[in-house]
Amino acid sequence: SQQGEEDPQALSIQEGENATMNCSYKTSINNLQWYRQNSGRGLVHLILIRSNEREKHSGRLRVTLDTSKKSSSLLITASRAADTASYFCAMEYGNKLVFGAGTILRVKS
Amino acid sequence: AAGVIQSPRHLIKEKRETATLKCYPIPRHDTVYWYQQGPGQDPQFLISFYEKMQSDKGSIPDRFSAQQFSDYHSELNMSSLELGDSALYFCASSSKNYNEQFFGPGTRLTVL
Repeated sequence: SQQGEEDPQALSIQEGENATMNCSYKTSINNLQWYRQNSGRGLVHLILIRSNEREKHSGRLRVTLDTSKKSSSLLITASRAADTASYFCAMEYGNKLVFGAGTILRVKS
Repeated sequence: AAGVIQSPRHLIKEKRETATLKCYPIPRHDTVYWYQQGPGQDPQFLISFYEKMQSDKGSIPDRFSAQQFSDYHSELNMSSLELGDSALYFCASSSKNYNEQFFGPGTRLTVL
């Protein structure tokens, strides 16, 4: 199976703290993307990191990719209550994305 | 900026009925993808089209079919609906020059 794994499954933090979510995958990828989903809503693209990149930043988001360990992490700094959502990593294989199981993040104000 | 449009947003069907979901990609995007997300599940890839040709196929049941039209919009046709088909169906689009897939708001299908 190409499906990735994410941990933790759920994360609860206080506003202002940092949140780190990890993703691991099994087979070599083209790119890895991170998405956010509010409950029952659409998937919002956050960031794409290519297989030849090691780190990427976008605002309060920092994504790392370690292809030797087949893992990626998403760091959200200075979290806000509005960051409460599910976060999915998605591995790009050819023309399709294979999603991880997701991390449910809850930011308490 | 224009986003991916999906219609309808909600759909209720009876078992054994048929359903057609529509997707209008972002302008100048040539690739369309369909995903199914069951309750509490991660999205599962169904099928994709590039320049009106099927480019990849995932876990799409034989009861489902899809196509991409000359204006690049796509339709997912679902027949003999089963209770287990109840899910959120997402369409995403991308252009060949950029790998990011941009998702539509989804169609929530409920089969009774």
